[in-house]
Amino acid sequence: EVQVVESGGGLVQPGGSLRLSCEASGFALSGHWMHWVRQSPEKGLEWVSRISSDGSSTKYADSVEGRFTISRDNAKNTVYLQMSSLRVEDTAVYYCVRDVGRSVGGIWHKWFDPWGQGTLVTVSS
Amino acid sequence: DIQLTQSPSFLSASVGDRVTVTCRASQGINSVLAWYQQKPGKAPTLLIYSASNLQSGVPSRFSGSGSGTEFTLTVSSLQPEDFATYYCQQLNSYPLTFGGGTKVEIK
Repeated sequence: EVQVVESGGGLVQPGGSLRLSCEASGFALSGHWMHWVRQSPEKGLEWVSRISSDGSSTKYADSVEGRFTISRDNAKNTVYLQMSSLRVEDTAVYYCVRDVGRSVGGIWHKWFDPWGQGTLVTVSS
Repeated sequence: DIQLTQSPSFLSASVGDRVTVTCRASQGINSVLAWYQQKPGKAPTLLIYSASNLQSGVPSRFSGSGSGTEFTLTVSSLQPEDFATYYCQQLNSYPLTFGGGTKVEIK
């Protein structure tokens, strides 16, 4: 079964740090870009970050740029999200998702499948 | 950033009804659009990719259409297990963005 499982969430004070992990199984992690997406009642679903299949390229949402770092260890089938300088507004369920895609008429089409079950990050004093 | 506007945000329907959800993009997205279903306390699951392609294992009562900036998700005959929240997502350009969601509830 193709799946991803997140871990590492919890309660942290503003300004603190947390590292999320995402373990993949049922597929070759090295063949896929991976993303983190978060969801909160206030902001809905929000894309956070992505990493290329070999880890050489990363991208971040403006809201987390400079505070979050995405990385991966393909040998361990794991993707990470290091979060620092956490703010109350970072409180959310964080999902790890696999990027699946193909070229159609010269345009790269992609979609997210599967999603992990999510891990809750609460930033509060 | 590309804004996605879903309508309606809330929909009350009965089993057997035909339901349509619309997603409008603030600019063209080359049909690089996906639809997801989310049930309470669960992660989203993929329904449709590339605007109109049904994900393997998803019932054929679900369909997607559209191009340019306007897209629709249709459920031809709503079933009890379809009561959920539906989201569109554009994956054409960063930052990747989601619609605000459409909650489908039982009338």
